[in-house]
Order: sequence, then C-alpha cells, then structure tokens
Amino acid sequence: NAGVTQTPKFRVLKTGQSMTLLCAQDMNHEYMYWYRQDPGMGLRLIHYSVGEGTTAKGEVPDGYNVSRLKKQNFLLGLESAAPSQTSVYFCASSYSGGGETQYFGPGTRLLVL
Amino acid sequence: RKEVEQDPGPFNVPEGATVAFNCTYSNSASQSFFWYRQDCRKEPKLLMSVYSSGNEDGRFTAQLNRASQYISLLIRDSKLSDSATYLCVVRDSSYKLIFGSGTRLLVRP
Repeated sequence: NAGVTQTPKFRVLKTGQSMTLLCAQDMNHEYMYWYRQDPGMGLRLIHYSVGEGTTAKGEVPDGYNVSRLKKQNFLLGLESAAPSQTSVYFCASSYSGGGETQYFGPGTRLLVL
Repeated sequence: RKEVEQDPGPFNVPEGATVAFNCTYSNSASQSFFWYRQDCRKEPKLLMSVYSSGNEDGRFTAQLNRASQYISLLIRDSKLSDSATYLCVVRDSSYKLIFGSGTRLLVRP
C-alpha cells in the first residue's frame, strides 16, 4: 500500500514551459487535492476534486489546470510556467470531505527560472 | 488578516521541557480542528484532531475554545524527535482545510 505518490519529485522549468504533475493514490479515496506551500504562507489549496470526472477551484487556481479522469489519479498542469509558481506542491487525498484525515504525498519541488 | 494564525517561532527548548503552541482562527463557522506535524522537507501528517472537550494522546494535549476561536497544543516531556513544524488546521463550513503557516519547534539535548 503506497498511499499517495507524486511524480516527479523535483523539476526545473524555464519561464513559459509547460508541465504536468501526477498524483496517484491507492486508498480508493473519493476526494483529492492539490496544494502549494511557500515560505511563511502555509499550504494553500489550488484545485480539488470530489470524485472521478469532477474538479473545482480552490484558493489560488490561476495559472493551473487539473483533471481527474481516473479515481486514483489527479493531474495538475502548468500551461505556461512563471517564476511565481516556484513552490513545493503537495497532493492529498481523503475518503470523504467531512472532517476526514487528508493523506499527503511526498511533494514535488518546482523551480521556474 | 490570515484565517488561521500561528506564532512562527522557533521555539527552542531542552529535552524534557513542556511547550505550548497557540493558534487563532477567524471564521466562527469552522467545523473541525486539527494539528498536523511537518518534518523538514517532508509532507504534513496528522498529529491529532482537536475536540471541544479537549483531548490527549500520550504526551500531547489539544484544547479548543470556540468562544475565543483559539486552539492550543501542549507537548510534555519533549523529545529530540519532536523537533518539527506544527501546523494548526481548521476545516471551514465546506470540507476545505485552512492551514496556518506553522510553528517551528527545536528540541535540544
């Protein structure tokens, strides 16, 4: 049981390049989330999904897109990376949304030059 | 004003000390409350939920004061392994979690 995994672990991009971050969970969780963590800011919710085929915007969605084609996977896309998107990205999942524990992946460190 | 505010620390304490962290939240409609622990360059992990009546898990005690919108975490008999950042987390009236920026704890020998 791997829990929540994220790919890649680290990436360097040039401004304007695109990339996709992959999150996978093997716990059969309905809810999945993407956060970013910046120094002094805490984790901020980018997008989330309450089930396969559904997505919704979080607190800081601009510049990102997501897709949840399969229940176990949640993809985060950056179409045109900007230096302001340099951050650590965490994916999380939970069985439901009502106060359930969220389980986090190990994170992806992204540097945009 | 941040929705969840914490003293960033760091709190630098000797082994065996008792240390307390505080957290305030701004949304009175918040539903659930948690403390997460995050080790350096690692993902956050749930430490404990916080209940209205207060709750204890070994050396850790969490308290909630809804009237003052205040949450606390007490760690007794600190261990070196307790060194980490402690995140105060609040669930709002939907199911979204709001994270504080964390309080850093350093336990020295």
